[in-house]
Amino acid sequence: AQSVTQLDSHVSVSEGTPVLLRCNYSSSYSPSLFWYVQHPNKGLQLLLKYTSAATLVKGINGFEAEFKKSETSFHLTKPSAHMSDAAEYFCVVTYSGNTPLVFGKGTRLSVIA
Amino acid sequence: DAGVIQSPRHEVTEMGQEVTLRCKPISGHNSLFWYRQTMMRGLELLIYFNNNVPIDDSGMPEDRFSAKMPNASFSTLKIQPSEPRDSAVYFCASWGSPGDTEAFFGQGTRLTVV
Repeated sequence: AQSVTQLDSHVSVSEGTPVLLRCNYSSSYSPSLFWYVQHPNKGLQLLLKYTSAATLVKGINGFEAEFKKSETSFHLTKPSAHMSDAAEYFCVVTYSGNTPLVFGKGTRLSVIA
Repeated sequence: DAGVIQSPRHEVTEMGQEVTLRCKPISGHNSLFWYRQTMMRGLELLIYFNNNVPIDDSGMPEDRFSAKMPNASFSTLKIQPSEPRDSAVYFCASWGSPGDTEAFFGQGTRLTVV
């Protein structure tokens, strides 16, 4: 069975400092992994995706994530946080294009001025 | 393409009433998913369809919930009768075009049952 664990329910950083949102996955198959972002009262927007190509994936707004099979991790990072990054972030796993996305519980990112 | 379109965006209804949520997937996509988001439980998969056929509805909370996909361009999620605990944001997503490697989400329907 597939699952994802987001290790932190809430992360708070100062503007201009690095961001690290942690995600571990469990999948019986070669997974596809995603990070989605949700701003307050908004829908879900794809930040980046890993689908068995390069293990270091670059996404929008300066975010990137590294797929580490040995650690079953897919942590999301950004070198310098911006106020507009404050949102809820979801790590997601699936293993094909026609099976459901399994969502983590989400990590709320707060950015302090 | 306008993306995945959900309607209505907001719905307020009284307990016991029937509620119907609608979703139009992206043209050419052959998989459609309904998710529910609440503070307590996060994002839960309710049901998904492949080629208009329901594949897994194990996430549907109870018999009050039903979903249909009569054709490739339309799906409904119905709650009858509605209860206050059904209050949530309901998202529809689609994917499956050749070359797709992501699911596209609608803006969601915020349902409030009073």
